[in-house]
Amino acid sequence: AQSVTQPDIHITVSEGASLELRCNYSYGATPYLFWYVQSPGQGLQLLLKYFSGDTLVQGIKGFEAEFKRSQSSFNLRKPSVHWSDAAEYFCAVGAGNNDMRFGAGTRLTVKP
Amino acid sequence: AAGVIQSPRHLIKEKRETATLKCYPIPRHDTVYWYQQGPGQDPQFLISFYEKMQSDKGSIPDRFSAQQFSDYHSELNMSSLELGDSALYFCASGRGRTDTQYFGPGTRLTVL
Repeated sequence: AQSVTQPDIHITVSEGASLELRCNYSYGATPYLFWYVQSPGQGLQLLLKYFSGDTLVQGIKGFEAEFKRSQSSFNLRKPSVHWSDAAEYFCAVGAGNNDMRFGAGTRLTVKP
Repeated sequence: AAGVIQSPRHLIKEKRETATLKCYPIPRHDTVYWYQQGPGQDPQFLISFYEKMQSDKGSIPDRFSAQQFSDYHSELNMSSLELGDSALYFCASGRGRTDTQYFGPGTRLTVL
């Protein structure tokens, strides 16, 4: 069964600094991988997704993620964080069926 | 662009009452997914429908049932509510069974 691990529960970065949120997955075949962002009390907004092809995926709001099969990772990056990026970030894996599994989430705090 | 609509956005019920949550998918989406997100938790998959038929089942309690109607909207029926049912309930929609899932804003259910 597929699973997702987000090793960092909480990350604090300064505004303007770079960001990397880690995500590791477990799945027997090539998974479908997603990053979602959730502001407090809000829904989940899709940042980007990987199905196949180029392993470096560009998303909205200046985010990108790189699929590394050898490391079973799909880390999310942003070169310069803005205060409005403070939120909860969820990595998710789907196997081409309906059962999408989420990681526990990483809460991002942005310092002025 | 049209998004997933969920109603109501907030719902307060007492123990042992029933609740019905509604989800209206993005136009031309034929698949609906339901998730439950407890406080500080990641979303947990409950159930999904494709073309008005149940497609997959996750950790949905027997007290809950759901269906997808001819216009593709879906309803999640919850009976004998318990305090532990207090959570944010998300609906997501997609096209087919392997497409990206787009989330609605959620329904916050509080059971007193």
